[in-house]
Parts: sequence; structure tokens; C-alpha cells
Amino acid sequence: GAGVSQSPSNKVTEKGKDVELRCDPISGHTALYWYRQSLGQGLEFLIYFQGNSAPDKSGLPSDRFSAERTGGSVSTLTIQRTQQEDSAVYLCASSLRARQETQYFGPGTRLLVL
Amino acid sequence: QKEVEQDPGPLSVPEGAIVSLNCTYSNSAFQYFMWYRQYSRKGPELLMYTYSSGNKEDGRFTAQVDKSSKYISLFIRDSQPSDSATYLCAMRDDKIIFGKGTRLHILP
Repeated sequence: GAGVSQSPSNKVTEKGKDVELRCDPISGHTALYWYRQSLGQGLEFLIYFQGNSAPDKSGLPSDRFSAERTGGSVSTLTIQRTQQEDSAVYLCASSLRARQETQYFGPGTRLLVL
Repeated sequence: QKEVEQDPGPLSVPEGAIVSLNCTYSNSAFQYFMWYRQYSRKGPELLMYTYSSGNKEDGRFTAQVDKSSKYISLFIRDSQPSDSATYLCAMRDDKIIFGKGTRLHILP
């Protein structure tokens, strides 16, 4: 079956612009995660969605970052007024139900802020 | 002290050598331990999954957990250039915590 997909694959933007990153989880997976990965920093947890529960936003680095998940499926991560330090790979993952279960990752969106 | 510590490398070894990748952790509540492999420009994929202490073998890969020392290892036998990737350890209690990953290069 289809895995987690993310779009765009690559995004180049200018400092100060807003960007939207999209994630399509595996069909039937109710848990969805966003991570940021930059060189030397590893996987940095950003946000977690589980079904209709309130998301765990504890990893969002600033109020410029927000995410939503519509209809329990597709998710969008929005970064407002992008800064150069936002340049990284943004990875989305999904798991069948709970946070403790195996996560399946998408290929990531490579964001470069000039 | 971070919850999970992993040497970022890079680690370069000749083809055919045995590779040892390691992580240490501080939270004794961790019961499940995982290794993910991430190829360049791809997302991480689950490689091995181990519960509690002991060894688990899958082909050329062996995962080892020593809970008394809070230390986990991944061994790769007869390493191949196709094993070149970043390897991330992960462990969970009520959520999964990832290590930073070790970049591995197998030299042909």
C-alpha cells in the first residue's frame, strides 16, 4: 500500500515569507507526527495529532509554527515569517493508533530559507 | 543529561567489517527499543525492534539491549556499501524518543 507522502519535496523561500508543508499519512492511521531534522540536531519533535484529541504542540519552537489536521487525515504545517534558522528537513510520520506504536515516515520536505 | 545519547559520527569502515552502533539512555522506564535506518534524502524506516533486555537477530543485523547499563547496540556483520546510511536509535515509554543518529559510511 501507499506510504506516507509529503509535498513539496523541496521548497526554497525568502526570509519573511510564509510556507505550507503537506503530509498525507498512511490510510487508516489515526496518529500523525511532525518532526524537524537539521544537521547535527537529529529528529526534533514538533507536534502530534491523535484522532479528535487536542494535539500535543509541546515541540513547536515558536508561535510562527502551526499545524492542522483536517478530517483526521491530511495535515498541513505552516511556518509564518520564515527565518534562515528554519531551514531544515521537515518529516511527517504516522502510526496506526497510539503514540507508542511504530512510526512510518514520509520522505520529508527540504526547506531552504534564503 | 539528554534522555538518549548517540554519537553522530561519521563512522567509516571498510566493506566486510563488523559495525557496532550504540546509544545510551537515562530513563529506566524505557522498555521498547528500536533502530531506524535513514538513507540520504529519505525518511527513516524501522529496521529492528526489541523488547526489554537481550539480543535479537535478523540476517546480518543484531540488536542488543543491556538495561542494567542503559545501553543498546546494533551490530552489522559483513557490512556492505548499501548499509551506508544514518542509523537512529529510538526508545519508548509513553512516547518514542529518538537519538540524533549516527552517519555510517561503508568503504568499498
